[in-house]
Order: sequence, then structure tokens, then C-alpha cells
Amino acid sequence: GAVVSQHPSRVICKSGTSVKIECRSLDFQATTMFWYRQFPKQSLMLMATSNEGSKATYEQGVEKDKFLINHASLTLSTLTVTSAHPEDSSFYICSASSLDTSNSPLHFGNGTRLTVT
Amino acid sequence: KQEVTQIPAALSVPEGENLVLNCSFTDSAIYNLQWFRQDPGKGLTSLLLIQSSQREQTSGRLNASLDKSSGRSTLYIAASQPGDSATYLCATYNQGGKLIFGQGTELSVKP
Repeated sequence: GAVVSQHPSRVICKSGTSVKIECRSLDFQATTMFWYRQFPKQSLMLMATSNEGSKATYEQGVEKDKFLINHASLTLSTLTVTSAHPEDSSFYICSASSLDTSNSPLHFGNGTRLTVT
Repeated sequence: KQEVTQIPAALSVPEGENLVLNCSFTDSAIYNLQWFRQDPGKGLTSLLLIQSSQREQTSGRLNASLDKSSGRSTLYIAASQPGDSATYLCATYNQGGKLIFGQGTELSVKP
């Protein structure tokens, strides 16, 4: 089955530093990737949608200059949390699709637990 | 704006019981509805996808139904096992091209 790899699985950083999270589709070409954020005991909130070779589309309330998304190839998308602060601590999950998502399930990475101290 | 609600928020049952998880949504203009499983600290695993034209989907001990007119879906788990313990999320895929999630039901199956 389709596999999405997300790295790192866990990261602890100091306030003010930037953190990059990678999302890779291992056995298919992902034309579209989605980035979600999940707080404890809460559901996933879509942050942005990225299409290969074009700018990401951010959801309302998500700062595009703080959460930089790059989808430079059909197998890799990155999310960079710039100048991280403790309130950015959260669980970040990516998902990817190569097909018409109205007909096929999305495949998710295992998530990245970000802790900003 | 689509809103997805799941009831109950948490459920604890003894092993072997059949159980039903509920999902409701406000906007019936969906392409599909998906049920996912999430283990603690992990990503999501797709369980079942029901197209808007379908009424139900089955996979092993899992059966998901969809009633678009009433904005409801159920996930039925037969003969529950401790390994079924996880958070179950439903999500609708709307015409806007977004997957909108419910807040999940945390299931605990006691041996």
C-alpha cells in the first residue's frame, strides 16, 4: 500500500529557532500534500494544501510566513516552523494523494511531535 | 461551512461487545466520508471510505454506513478486541477539496 514517511517523529527545540519537517511519499507521486496540526485530545485542523511546483494554499488564520511550505518535487513536501515559540508546540501530520481525492483515501504520515521550550 | 461532530467522545467496552460510533455532518454536499484510526502519538490509518453515492462499506469486522440526507454516518465494530483500542475519526471530503475531521471517539476495549 501507499506509504507516507514523515521525519522527524519528535523534535525539541528552543524558542526562536526554526524547525523543518519532511513529508515523503515513498512509493507514489504525490501531486497534492496536506499539512495538519493536532492539539491534545482534539481533531486535526488543516493548515495548508500544497501542490507540486506551486505555492501552498493556507487556511484562514494560518500565518504563511511562519509556517513555510515547500513542495518542490512529487515525492517531498516540507513544513518549516520559523522562529518557533512554545505555543507552536503541537503534533503536525502530513498527508498525500496522487489521485483524485474524491475517490481515494488520503495516506498519512506518522506525525511529528514538536516541543518548543 | 462544514462541521463534523462525533459522539461519544470516549467509550469503554468489555472485549467481545459490538459497538457503534456516530458521526454527523452539517453539509450534505460531500464527495465521500472516511473513517480513520489513530493510535496515540501516531498518524492516521484509513479504515473505510464511503462514496457519496454509496450507503455502506465493509471491511472485516468493520461496517460503515452513510445517510447523506440526514447527515449521519456510523461505524459498527463487531466482536471488539483490545487491539481495537484507539481514537476513531470520521472526516468528510467536500467540494472545496478539503477533508474536515470530527473530534474523534476514543475507544477503550477492556480484556
